[in-house]
Amino acid sequence: SAVISQKPSRDICQRGTSLTIQCQVDSQVTMMFWYRQQPGQSLTLIATANQGSEATYESGFVIDKFPISRPNLTFSTLTVSNMSPEDSSIYLCSAEGVWTGNTDTQYFGPGTRLTVL
Amino acid sequence: KQEVTQIPAALSVPEGENLVLNCSFTDSAIYNLQWFRQDPGKGLTSLLLIQSSQREQTSGRLNASLDKSSGRSTLYIAASQPGDSATYLCAMQADSSYKLIFGSGTRLLVRP
Repeated sequence: SAVISQKPSRDICQRGTSLTIQCQVDSQVTMMFWYRQQPGQSLTLIATANQGSEATYESGFVIDKFPISRPNLTFSTLTVSNMSPEDSSIYLCSAEGVWTGNTDTQYFGPGTRLTVL
Repeated sequence: KQEVTQIPAALSVPEGENLVLNCSFTDSAIYNLQWFRQDPGKGLTSLLLIQSSQREQTSGRLNASLDKSSGRSTLYIAASQPGDSATYLCAMQADSSYKLIFGSGTRLLVRP
């Protein structure tokens, strides 16, 4: 089965700075997704990233704050810009399960735990 | 607006007990429903996917059911083990857009 990895696994950042999170899938996938899990909360979709097109953002999330790149079929990055303590969350990427033959199932990376001081 | 609710928020049971986790959603027009397990620091693991045309799916000691008319899904865990301790999340997909709407999760502790 394909593996989804994320870097970094965790980071502590100062307010006002930016952090770029990387997501690597070891199988080619069309659709990748970025989610946020705030402390004690469930997951909320930030945006959908398709290779070759601009990311589609959900209500409440904007490109200036969360720019996303999708340069190829196995890789994506999410940047959290001009961070504030409210951005402290776990950020997870996911991908459609093409390698399983079931694209309806989403598989998740291990997450990046971000703390903003 | 579609909402997903999970009850109970936390559950503690002795090892060997059979248990049921509940998930409810506000709109019966769903595409599919997925159950995940979340372990601390390890992201999410997909457990079962139920398509809208299905009523249940089974994998080992796990059985998930779907009742669209009542807006409910249940995850049944048979003969629980301490290794089952984790947070269980249900997520529904309303259409073919792949967007998942998650419930808040049930935190399960299985005591040896």
